[in-house]
Amino acid sequence: EVRLLESGGGLVQPGGSLRLSCVASEFNFNTYAMTWVRQAPGKGLEWVSSMSANSVTTQYADSVKGRFTISRDNSKSTLYLEMSSLRADDTAVYYCAKDREQWLLRGAFDVWGQGTMVTVSS
Amino acid sequence: DTQMTQTPSTLSASLGAGVTITCRASQNIGNWLAWYQQKPGKAPKLLIYRASSLENGVPSRFSGSGSGTEFTLTISSLQPDDFATYYCQQYKTYPWTFGQGTKVEIK
Repeated sequence: EVRLLESGGGLVQPGGSLRLSCVASEFNFNTYAMTWVRQAPGKGLEWVSSMSANSVTTQYADSVKGRFTISRDNSKSTLYLEMSSLRADDTAVYYCAKDREQWLLRGAFDVWGQGTMVTVSS
Repeated sequence: DTQMTQTPSTLSASLGAGVTITCRASQNIGNWLAWYQQKPGKAPKLLIYRASSLENGVPSRFSGSGSGTEFTLTISSLQPDDFATYYCQQYKTYPWTFGQGTKVEIK
């Protein structure tokens, strides 16, 4: 079964840092663009960042640009999100998601992880 | 940024009823639109991509239509499993953006 499993969430103080991981299984991870999407408690979905299959292209939402860094290790089938200078409004469930089409950074996500909760609070 | 506006925000309907959710984009996005279903505590599920293409395994009672700035998601006959929140998402231009969601409730 195609699967994504996030980890690394938790409670962090404002200004702190955290690294999220997303391990993929049962598909050719190195041929798909990957994305992080977040959802604040009781709110809607917000696109955060995406990376192409070959790591050449990255995109960020303005709200996280300069603070978050997306990366991937295709040898480990793992996507990362390095988060720094965290703020209270970064509090959310963070999902990793797989692009539906191979190779292209297209933007429709057919596989999602279960999410990992990040809480930024003192 | 391309703003996505869904109407209504909440929809109450009975089992077996047909329902339509509308999503409007603030600029032309062609057919670069997806629809997702999300249940409480769960990840979103892709229903429709490229405005009208049904994702594998999604029941045929779901359909999408539209292009440019106006799109619809139709559920032809509501089933118990369909009560959830639905989101549209444009992926024409960055930042990719979602609608605010439409909650479909049991009447």
